[in-house]
Amino acid sequence: GDSVTQMEGPVTLSEEAFLTINCTYTATGYPSLFWYVQYPGEGLQLLLKATKADDKGSNKGFEATYRKETTSFHLEKGSVQVSDSAVYFCALSDPGNGNEKLTFGTGTRLTIIP
Amino acid sequence: DTAVSQTPKYLVTQMGNDKSIKCEQNLGHDTMYWYKQDSKKFLKIMFSYNNKELIINETVPNRFSPKSPDKAHLNLHINSLELGDSAVYFCASSQAPGRVYEQYFGPGTRLTVT
Repeated sequence: GDSVTQMEGPVTLSEEAFLTINCTYTATGYPSLFWYVQYPGEGLQLLLKATKADDKGSNKGFEATYRKETTSFHLEKGSVQVSDSAVYFCALSDPGNGNEKLTFGTGTRLTIIP
Repeated sequence: DTAVSQTPKYLVTQMGNDKSIKCEQNLGHDTMYWYKQDSKKFLKIMFSYNNKELIINETVPNRFSPKSPDKAHLNLHINSLELGDSAVYFCASSQAPGRVYEQYFGPGTRLTVT
């Protein structure tokens, strides 16, 4: 079945540091890949997505590139801010599973220190 | 204006009780979802409805019964609550089923079973 593996958290960084959150996946079909963000006390919001190999999703300074050869979709940001503190979820939607439901990773909690 | 709203935000109840969580979306979407997020932040889909018809029904105990009176509402009724049902339940909606459509999440309902 489909699965998403994210790096274990929590991750704590200083403001303006470089961020990488690793994500790898397994899927039976050719999935679309997503990063969702959950700020404290809120629901999830779509951060960025990519639908085919070598696509780069980007939003709010965050980027992730769909790497089919390594089945990865790592999230990066060049200079994080305190306001980026949140839980980040990698997810996939696989047409091979029949209903294209979202399958999530376990989430990575990010804390940015001023 | 809240796009996806849930009530109640917090729900504390005893084992064996029956409770309901309500969800409403004002986005005009056709598809709605229920997700369960456990204490480790792992997020898993439970149900999905499209135009009031059930399209996704994951392996969920039959104590959980979703009901969609119209496209804008998807309620979740839980019978005979158990300790393991304690979690945050998120409702979401999308324009249509399928991976090309962004899912919009509600703020969540934290259910605590004592």
